[in-house]
Parts: sequence; C-alpha cells; structure tokens
Amino acid sequence: GAGVSQSPSNKVTEKGKDVELRCDPISGHTALYWYRQSLGQGLEFLIYFQGNSAPDKSGLPSDRFSAERTGGSVSTLTIQRTQQEDSAVYLCASFRSGLNTEAFFGQGTRLTVV
Amino acid sequence: DQQVKQNSPSLSVQEGRISILNCDYTNSMFDYFLWYKKYPAEGPTFLISISSIKDKNEDGRFTVFLNKSAKHLSLHIVPSQPGDSAVYFCAAKANFGNEKLTFGTGTRLTIIP
Repeated sequence: GAGVSQSPSNKVTEKGKDVELRCDPISGHTALYWYRQSLGQGLEFLIYFQGNSAPDKSGLPSDRFSAERTGGSVSTLTIQRTQQEDSAVYLCASFRSGLNTEAFFGQGTRLTVV
Repeated sequence: DQQVKQNSPSLSVQEGRISILNCDYTNSMFDYFLWYKKYPAEGPTFLISISSIKDKNEDGRFTVFLNKSAKHLSLHIVPSQPGDSAVYFCAAKANFGNEKLTFGTGTRLTIIP
C-alpha cells in the first residue's frame, strides 16, 4: 500500500480482555517499530523488528505484551488481560533498513480500556 | 535513561518570526537524526533529517543543525506559519546494528498569528 496502515483505528475493550492490534507496513520495508503514546506523554518505544525477528523488545512493559511479525510484512501487537493503564495510542512505523532512512508512521490505534 | 532530550515542553512564536527547537542526546552511537511533526489524532510525519557527517541540512523553511561535539541538534523554522503549530519530536538512531529509533519527549510549538 501507499502508507503504513493500522487497524482498528479505535478499540474500546473491557478490563481483563485480550486485544490484538495490526500493522501493515509499507511494501518493501524490512524494519518495523511499535510505539505507544499515553495521554500527555511522549512516544514510548515498545519493540523493533528486523524482518521477522525482534532485535530489541526492551520496551514491552510486561509479559502481557507480545508482538510478532510474519513474512517480513504484517505485524500484530497483542495485549493480554488488558488494564486501564494500557489505554493509549499505539503507533506503528516501518522503514527500509540501512543508511540514513526515515521511518513512516501509521495513524495509530487508540485503545481505551474501561 | 532518556537518551534523547527535549528540554522545552512548549514554545510560542509570533507568525513570521523564527522558531528554534532544541534537542540533546547522550548516545555516541547515534549517527542519524530526524525531526517529526505531530498533529493531534494523527501519526507523526517525517519533517527533516541529518546525518552525523553533516552539520546542516536545509529544506525550504526548515533547517536542522547538528553539533556532534556538544551532542546537540536544533530545528529552525523561518518564517514560522500558523500551520506549523504542532508537537515536534526529535529522534535518533544508529544506521547499523540495532536501529531502534529513540524519541525525545516533544516540544509543543504554537505560532501566534
């Protein structure tokens, strides 16, 4: 596609439920990031994929969070047993790995845990 | 450990004047630096970047300056326009190895008409 696509754009879920967020990167982009932005906060790094592997997943807040990427393309971020503090905008970005390349972001998924 | 810092949470500038946004970093492995602009309810959009081998990069009204010895970069917008009102994020990464993109906390720029 022309840009990074994220779905759903909005998700309201009950506390304790599992949610799955999807990211479709730009075609040909080998690397992919997940971030989240809580209300009034900056961009918090979650995980970085290079192909299907994750060289850096140091930002995942707890073991309730997991992410995978298949076929070097689509990535899903799964949050199990959601808590209210998980409410945030989850942003995905993709880029072509290598010298001096910029990352392009999707519009984000706004997750609200009630 | 905040490796990229934007010490000014907000900045107000008169329309037509110069806006200067600042960013400091601590990791000497960073060799590519980027600025992103973010409007509410939208994802960040890439604005301008600079490689560590340069000290200046210009694109229209936007210029980024890099001082490697001070580990400092700045974004200059001149002349500032009302549409420039947004949150600006500085980001940094290494070009090889772990390419994690590390962001600053952002500066909210308001252009006063």
